[in-house]
Parts: sequence; structure tokens; C-alpha cells
Amino acid sequence: QVQLQESGPGLVKSSETLSLTCTVSGVSISSYYWSWSRQSPGKELEWIGYISYTGSTNYNPSLRSRVTVSVDTSKDQFSLKLTSVTPADTAVYFCARGPEGGSYNWFDPWGQGTLVTVSS
Amino acid sequence: DIQMTQSPSSLSASVGDRVTITCRTSQIIGTYLNWYQQKSGKAPKLLIYAASSFQSGVPSRFSGSGSGTDFTLTISSLQPEDFATYYCQQSYSSPYTFGQGTKVEI
Repeated sequence: QVQLQESGPGLVKSSETLSLTCTVSGVSISSYYWSWSRQSPGKELEWIGYISYTGSTNYNPSLRSRVTVSVDTSKDQFSLKLTSVTPADTAVYFCARGPEGGSYNWFDPWGQGTLVTVSS
Repeated sequence: DIQMTQSPSSLSASVGDRVTITCRTSQIIGTYLNWYQQKSGKAPKLLIYAASSFQSGVPSRFSGSGSGTDFTLTISSLQPEDFATYYCQQSYSSPYTFGQGTKVEI
């Protein structure tokens, strides 16, 4: 059974860097693509970006200048860094496996999510 | 970016009701459309991929249809465990985008 668990600080100050880690169990992290998404209070899900098993990345253009996704295969973890955060970056951040399914690019499973609040 | 519009944004229904949720995309995407269920405080769960294919373990009362720009998620007989928020997601092109969600309430 594949499981993902996000971890990281729940409170970040404006202008600082948000850093989160997703720990994967039940499957080799080296065999799939892995993504981050977020959900701001009362808003829809927003896909942030992914890293592939080869290390290639693809980011949402709306966040590209501030986002880095990386992977540590030795620890079965992948990470998100978002720089220069503002209160608008306050959200529940989810990690997920995917996109997968060939061209159908779905995300499954997901972690439980972690709330990150950016204080001004 | 491909814009996603779900309707309704919320609905009230009873156990046993047939429920239909619609998702419209801003451009033609073939059948590159996935549906997720999210219960309060929980992670999204993939229900349907490629517009009409079931994810393993999803009850048969859920079905998806559509192609092009108009898609539908149908719950044939609503069960107590189905009260949740449902999201569509286009997988045709990056950045992958989600609908704003449809909350199904009692």
C-alpha cells in the first residue's frame, strides 16, 4: 500500500522560504513521478509542480520563479521549496504520486496534507 | 491555462438520490479529465480517470461521461459515505488545473 506523508513547519514568515518534505512508503520513489499541490482556504486545488524519476521537473508557470522540487532517493523523500512567500501562499499543501497513467496524468494517492500559514 | 468550471458549486441531496455534477473546460480536451472525491480534512481520492474509467475499488454507483469540453460525474444512488466535495481535473496540458469543487451535502 502506497502511503505519503507531508512534514514541515506549519508557520512561515513573509519573505522567507517554505520548505516541506514528503516521505513515501510502499513503493520505490525511483519508479514514478511525484507532485505537489496546494489548496488555499475556500479555493480550488492548485497544482504546483512535479519531479520525475529521472529528476526532470515541470512547474506551474504561476509559481515557477519561486518553486523548486527535489528528490532524495536514499530516503524515499521528495521536497518542495517555495521562496519569498506572502500570506497568499497560506494553504494546505499536498504531495501525491503522479502525474501517471500515460497521457491521462492523474494523481493518486495523495498525502493527508499539511497546513502552512504565512504570517505577515 | 485551461479553465475549469464545475456546476453546481454545492447541492443538497438525500440518501438514495441520483446526483449529477458537471464540469466544463475552456478548450477541447478529448477525454483527458479526471474526477476526485475529497472528504473534509482528508486527502483527495481519485475516482474516475480518462473521463469514464473507474479507479480500482471505486463503487459502481459512480460513473463518468463526456468528451471535448463537457463532462459529467454521476452518483446513481447516493450513500452516506458519499457526502464530500468532488473536483474535476484536466490532464490534457500542463499546468494541470482543477475545478472549484462541488460540495454534496445532506
